[in-house]
Amino acid sequence: NAGVTQTPKFQVLKTGQSMTLQCAQDMNHEYMSWYRQDPGMGLRLIHYSVGAGITDQGEVPNGYNVSRSTTEDFPLRLLSAAPSQTSVYFCASSRQENEKLFFGSGSQLCFL
Amino acid sequence: GQNIDQPTEMTATEGAIVQINCTYQTSGFNGLFWYQQHAGEAPTFLSYNVLDGLEEKGRFSSFLSRSKGYSYLLLKELQMKDSASYLCAVLDSNYQLIWGAGTKLIIKP
Repeated sequence: NAGVTQTPKFQVLKTGQSMTLQCAQDMNHEYMSWYRQDPGMGLRLIHYSVGAGITDQGEVPNGYNVSRSTTEDFPLRLLSAAPSQTSVYFCASSRQENEKLFFGSGSQLCFL
Repeated sequence: GQNIDQPTEMTATEGAIVQINCTYQTSGFNGLFWYQQHAGEAPTFLSYNVLDGLEEKGRFSSFLSRSKGYSYLLLKELQMKDSASYLCAVLDSNYQLIWGAGTKLIIKP
């Protein structure tokens, strides 16, 4: 059982660089989401999707882009990376948006 | 605004019982979740409460009082592996999860 697969686990970025965090789930979940986790703060929702072809903004969407072309995949794109985007990022999925979340293993983004 | 409050850190002894509290003020309520997160790992689901009362699951129990905006997670027979952060999250009227900052639980032998 793969569950939620998230890559890469760690990435060093330069200001202005673009990159994509990959997320895939094999549980046929309709709901997928991206969070960032910063010290001393709760998880903050970046973007989410309630099904293929549907995406919406969360609490902190600026500087990030998502797409949901298939049920399985939900990549997160950093358009022009900034030091404020230093964080740990988690992809999560659930059958529906009011059910328990299954999380990927996380991606640590750092800046030079 | 919406707010979830939980203690930042708690310490308990192996074999003992600990109660982690969570109070919330949100726009509507559609359920409350507790997740466990070990250092450097992803959160994992522990419990879900949508009705008032106590839900028991092995050594872990979760309580909810919607009228008081209050929940607690009760951990019994503490083990060293229970050292982790415990995250409280409320599903608001728009089915958005509002997360607390988490409670770091330190277990001492």
